[in-house]
Amino acid sequence: GAGVSQSPSNKVTEKGKDVELRCDPISGHTALYWYRQSLGQGLEFLIYFQGNSAPDKSGLPSDRFSAERTGGSVSTLTIQRTQQEDSAVYLCASRPRPGANGELFFGEGSRLTVL
Amino acid sequence: EDQVTQSPEALRLQEGESSSLNCSYTVSGLRGLFWYRQDPGKGPEFLFTLYSAGEEKEKERLKATLTKKESFLHITAPKPEDSATYLCAVQAGKTNAGKSTFGDGTTLTVKP
Repeated sequence: GAGVSQSPSNKVTEKGKDVELRCDPISGHTALYWYRQSLGQGLEFLIYFQGNSAPDKSGLPSDRFSAERTGGSVSTLTIQRTQQEDSAVYLCASRPRPGANGELFFGEGSRLTVL
Repeated sequence: EDQVTQSPEALRLQEGESSSLNCSYTVSGLRGLFWYRQDPGKGPEFLFTLYSAGEEKEKERLKATLTKKESFLHITAPKPEDSATYLCAVQAGKTNAGKSTFGDGTTLTVKP
């Protein structure tokens, strides 16, 4: 497809387990973002990748959260030793090259439930 | 720190009843202000970008305006299909890069 693709769409896990969430951005988009949305809340910034530059990790809530982007395309968000407060929808977005309009193109999200 | 505050949290309208949603912001060096629409279970969908005070953008029944402190999303003669959560976001900085800071959104319900 032409849009941002995220998997899995739903994930239920037990407290203490590790989870991996995947994002496949729009082809050719150089910037990739992860946001978290708790029920009824706005979007909370987690991490941002731009080309070959060092990622902006300023939004990661703890060292249990990490993300990587391989080959400038697919990204994986990893949450270690999950806690109940990690339950949320994790949204990935991509943006065209710098200089283009700044809007974000979002995937449909990965809903994480930690029991 | 960039901040975005949206009001009201929820708005219920009758079909055809026009109204406005507010987005107040504080940011150092506004690069752009964005409006998104989010349907339940979906990711946000881009609506408008506004870059400078006085700018206006229109799309069907929606019009977005921008001042130095706030933005309004005006909805004229809304229809039930306009029901959604509307999110406002700001981007700061010298380049068209970096994170966008989002408000908590306004949930609009339009009754037939």
